[in-house]
Amino acid sequence: DQQVKQNSPSLSVQEGRISILNCDYTNSMFDYFLWYKKYPAEGPTFLISISSIKDKNEDGRFTVFLNKSAKHLSLHIVPSQPGDSAVYFCAASANNNNDMRFGAGTRLTVKP
Amino acid sequence: ETGVTQTPRHLVMGMTNKKSLKCEQHLGHNAMYWYKQSAKKPLELMFVYNFKEQTENNSVPSRFSPECPNSSHLFLHLHTLQPEDSALYLCASSQTSGTSYEQYFGPGTRLTVT
Repeated sequence: DQQVKQNSPSLSVQEGRISILNCDYTNSMFDYFLWYKKYPAEGPTFLISISSIKDKNEDGRFTVFLNKSAKHLSLHIVPSQPGDSAVYFCAASANNNNDMRFGAGTRLTVKP
Repeated sequence: ETGVTQTPRHLVMGMTNKKSLKCEQHLGHNAMYWYKQSAKKPLELMFVYNFKEQTENNSVPSRFSPECPNSSHLFLHLHTLQPEDSALYLCASSQTSGTSYEQYFGPGTRLTVT
């Protein structure tokens, strides 16, 4: 039962352009959403999060948008840089529960 | 540097072996986790420990046995594994009080069962 889905396994973007990574979820109880970035041979690192009481959270080049009615969130990276090339995981949890559900990840490649 | 370390980084073991994975967090967190990541699949939560007490066991086979002697250390004992258990095993920690729930991950142990 995959409650968090990232339907695009890969994305390729030119340096300087916007990268948009998408994530859909099915559990309406989820109230906290996170994005993680993972480089090869390293564990995932926390990037940005959003609570369900908000619809947007921005941190530098990274912005996460949440559309609760569509059960959809997205991560925007602008401008994209070659160092952003990594696998990005979307995650969600409910009611401060330790049980965090992850998507399968999207591999982003930013070309110079 | 995430403050969560895992050893070994790579492990090859036969199906009759017994081995252990070790995780240590230096962040003062009160919760620790084991995840399994198979190729092209989402991270699967295996076990959760809050204040050294196991609070989640997501139907993990008994050939995986966790141990949490204190809030900084977490072990995963492995015995009679199957080839399909080959995966990346990730440890994470978090602080469950407060308003942010992000988990901090170690680099993982790449396990191959032959």
